[in-house]
Amino acid sequence: DAKTTQPNSMESNEEEPVHLPCNHSTISGTDYIHWYRQLPSQGPEYVIHGLTSNVNNRMASLAIAEDRKSSTLILHRATLRDAAVYYCILRDRDDKIIFGKGTRLHILP
Amino acid sequence: ETGVTQTPRHLVMGMTNKKSLKCEQHLGHNAMYWYKQSAKKPLELMFVYNFKEQTENNSVPSRFSPECPNSSHLFLHLHTLQPEDSALYLCASSQVGGRGLDGYTFGSGTRLTVV
Repeated sequence: DAKTTQPNSMESNEEEPVHLPCNHSTISGTDYIHWYRQLPSQGPEYVIHGLTSNVNNRMASLAIAEDRKSSTLILHRATLRDAAVYYCILRDRDDKIIFGKGTRLHILP
Repeated sequence: ETGVTQTPRHLVMGMTNKKSLKCEQHLGHNAMYWYKQSAKKPLELMFVYNFKEQTENNSVPSRFSPECPNSSHLFLHLHTLQPEDSALYLCASSQVGGRGLDGYTFGSGTRLTVV
């Protein structure tokens, strides 16, 4: 399985943008970049995914580097409810999802 | 509610007990999964079922026995567990085939404590 590297933890102030980085230097041409997050006492939930182009949805934006070796999940205006562990995952079509340690995001009021 | 329901939410069992965890999905998905999340460890994939057939068992001890009677239901039967099996057990479902880009939908998990 292709590997991703994320910081263990990050802090951000409430109502400010948050940029969560992910490195995936060994990504293959058919790997999609997926992001999930896990709120306290809940199962993970899907956030966003992309292949080459930047993607936006109601939850977040995904910025993908031109060489695809890194990506950034952007929360445009963090709230306290965004405090969670964020996982960056590489997935080739129907491959199973393997989770790493993720980034624990703390939001400061 | 995510569309994947797990019961019970909490379970305390002795090492000699037999219990079962249940997972039900109402999303029309054709694949289901069991994950284990121990304290301070990443989620570990335990079992994969596609179209009711087990396609993956990641070296899970035989004291964990999965069952998938249909595409909507998944069980994890537990017997003679050890205290180190205490963890959050998460069920997920997805739709395989098609574009292959659909994400997983997770339940809220069963918090298991083995005493």
